Formats: sequence, C-alpha cells, structure tokens
Amino acid sequence: AQSVAQPEDQVNVAEGNPLTVKCTYSVSGNPYLFWYVQYPNRGLQFLLKYITGDNLVKGSYGFEAEFNKSQTSFHLKKPSALVSDSALYFCAVREASSGNTPLVFGKGTRLSVIA
Amino acid sequence: DAMVIQNPRYQVTQFGKPVTLSCSQTLNHNVMYWYQQKSSQAPKLLFHYYDKDFNNEADTPDNFQSRRPNTSFCFLDIRSPGLGDAAMYLCATRGGLPMDEQFFGPGTRLTVL
Repeated sequence: AQSVAQPEDQVNVAEGNPLTVKCTYSVSGNPYLFWYVQYPNRGLQFLLKYITGDNLVKGSYGFEAEFNKSQTSFHLKKPSALVSDSALYFCAVREASSGNTPLVFGKGTRLSVIA
Repeated sequence: DAMVIQNPRYQVTQFGKPVTLSCSQTLNHNVMYWYQQKSSQAPKLLFHYYDKDFNNEADTPDNFQSRRPNTSFCFLDIRSPGLGDAAMYLCATRGGLPMDEQFFGPGTRLTVL
C-alpha cells in the first residue's frame, strides 16, 4: 500500500529565512512524488515532481525538493521565504509501477510566513 | 489557456435538495477525478474516470453519483445532500501516464442549509 506522512500540521518561519516542509512516503517500488500548494478557497496548484534522475528537483516560485531514497523522504524547501508563501502544502505519491492508480495525499502542512 | 473549470464556484442548497456540480477541461486529458475536501484537510477521492471507465472509491456514499458524457465534461450529483456534505468539491484531470501530475480546478464550495 502507498502512504504519505507529513509530520507537521503547522510550520512557522520568518520572512527571509529558509523554510522546510517535511514529507516521508511508503511504496513497494519506485515512487513518483509530487508537491502541491493550496491558497484559501482555491484548488490545489502543482509545484514540482520527482520522477527519476537528479535528486534535487526545482519547481515553481523558487521551491525545490530533495528526494532521499534511503530516508524515503521528499522535503520541500525554499532558501528565502516570502509572506505570500503562506498556504497549505500537500505532498503526494504514486508508485511508478502502479499504473494509473490515484495519487495518495498527505494530510497537509500549513505554512505561515511572518513578516 | 488550457485549464480545468468548475461551475459554480459557490453553491448553496437545502437539506435533501439534489444538486449537480460541473467540471470541464480543455486539456484533453483522459483521466478525471472528483475530490471532497473539508476544512484544511487532505482531499478525499470520491471517484475517478480513466476514459469512460468509472472507478468508485469503496467509502464513497451512495448519495454521490457521477457522470462523464464526454472527454471534456464531468458532473457530480449529490442526490440528497446532508449537512455533512458541506465541503469544497475539487475536480482534477491528468494525462494518461503514471508520472503525469494532476491539474485541479478552483473548486466548488457547497453549503447545505
């Protein structure tokens, strides 16, 4: 079975500081990993994904994520947080060999960037 | 721009009064999803279509039905809404490859009075 854990319900960071939103996953084989962001009263917006290759993935709005196979993690990072980054962030996984099964989402982490 | 469109953005209905939410896409994706999302929780998958193949999640209530008359459109019917069905309903699409990301619409917020 596939699963995703986002261990933090809330992350607070000061504007200009680096931010990290944590995600760990569990799949039987190789994973496809995704990060989405959700602003209030909006749908989920795709940020980035890991398919294969370079473990550091760069995405939209200056976000990046590092795939770590040994730790089964895919943490989202940004070198310098903006107040406008405040939102709900979801990590998701699909096992590469699972065909077209739906994504499994984590429960979400609320990021608050304080000016 | 290619996109996923949901109408209406806000829907108010009365307890027990049927309601239909609609989703359309210009991406020509063959996979479409309906999710229910309650306050700041993860989206909960209700159904998905792979082309015309319909897949119902085991814990989706019978009160919820879906139709996909063609590639572009998908509908969510709630036959007898209860207070517990008040939520944001999200439609999403995806291309046919497992590594493809899902594209979400803006959602319809359903209020049940």
